[in-house]
Formats: sequence, structure tokens, C-alpha cells
Amino acid sequence: GAGVSQSPSNKVTEKGKDVELRCDPISGHTALYWYRQSLGQGLEFLIYFQGNSAPDKSGLPSDRFSAERTGGSVSTLTIQRTQQEDSAVYLCASSLDWDRPEAFFGQGTRLTVV
Amino acid sequence: GQQLNQSPQSMFIQEGEDVSMNCTSSSIFNTWLWYKQEPGEGPVLLIALYKAGELTSNGRLTAQFGITRKDSFLNISASIPSDVGIYFCAGHPVSGGSNYKLTFGKGTLLTVNP
Repeated sequence: GAGVSQSPSNKVTEKGKDVELRCDPISGHTALYWYRQSLGQGLEFLIYFQGNSAPDKSGLPSDRFSAERTGGSVSTLTIQRTQQEDSAVYLCASSLDWDRPEAFFGQGTRLTVV
Repeated sequence: GQQLNQSPQSMFIQEGEDVSMNCTSSSIFNTWLWYKQEPGEGPVLLIALYKAGELTSNGRLTAQFGITRKDSFLNISASIPSDVGIYFCAGHPVSGGSNYKLTFGKGTLLTVNP
């Protein structure tokens, strides 16, 4: 596609439920990032995928968070047993390669846990 | 890991004024990127810098890659109301492994008073 696509754009879920957020990166981009952004705050790094390398999961805040990237393309961020503090905008970005770091962001998924 | 200090955290200026913001790092970067985020949107890449000392312009925006490779600044001349948003710097490291990922500053919130 022309840009990074994220779905859904908005998600309201009940506390304790699991959610899946999807990211379709730009075609051919080997690097993919997930970030979390609370209202008016900066970008909190969650996880980084680069090609076939093991992902950098150092930013995942708890074991309720996980992400996978299938076939080097689409990525899914899963949050299990959601809590109210998980409410935020989740942003995905992709870049061409490790040495072409210009990252392009999707519009984000706004998650609200009630 | 790398840390970026971005300042100021916020700015409130009058239309027509010039703006300057900067980022400093504890380690060397190969690439500096500047992004702008408007409400409800993902960050958008404004300027990319690849060489120490490089000075690059994009319209009223000018950014420089510091000669020490540990800092960068962004200037906006003759600000207008649509410059409002959060500006992020991002650096891409020299050495590799999983630390090839981008590191983002915490952002500068710019408000322009018409």
C-alpha cells in the first residue's frame, strides 16, 4: 500500500478482555516498530522487528503484551487481560531497512479500556 | 541504551516569531530525523540528516546535524498557526545489533498564538 495502515482506528474494550491491533507496513519495508502514546505524551517504544532477526521486545511493559510479525509483513500487537492504564494510542511505523532508518507512521489505533 | 534529551518541552509563541528546538544524545548517531505530529495523526517525517555538519531546509524549516554527531537542532522561521503540533527528534545509532532501532526524544509541544 501507499502508507502504513493500522486497524482498527478506534477500539473500546472492557477491562479484562483481550485485544488485537493490526499493522500493515509499507510494502518492502523490513523494519517495523510499535509505540504507545498516552494523551499529550511522547512515544513509548514497545517492540522492534528487523527482517528475520529476533525482535527487540525490551519496551513491552508487561507479559500481557506480545507482538508477532508474520511473513515479514503484517504485524499484530496483542494485549491480554486489558487494564484501564492500557488506554492510549498505539502507533506502528515501518522503515525500509536497518540502514535506511526513515520511519513512516500509521494513523494509530486509539484504545480505550472501560 | 541511547537516550535523547529534547528541549524545550513546550513553547508558546506569537505568529511570525522564529522557533528553535534541539536534541542532544549521550552517544553518537548516524542519522537524525525530525517529525511533526498533529492531533489525531501519526508523526510525519519533516527532515532527515545523514552527515555531521549537514544543514538541510524544507520550506521554513531548517535542521542541522551537529558536528559532534551527538546533537541536532530544528528551526522554524516566521511561524504560522498551522505549525502547531508536537515535534519529535529521532536518532539512528552507529553500532548495530538490536540497537539499530530509532530512539525518539520526548517531543516539543509548539503552540502558536495568531
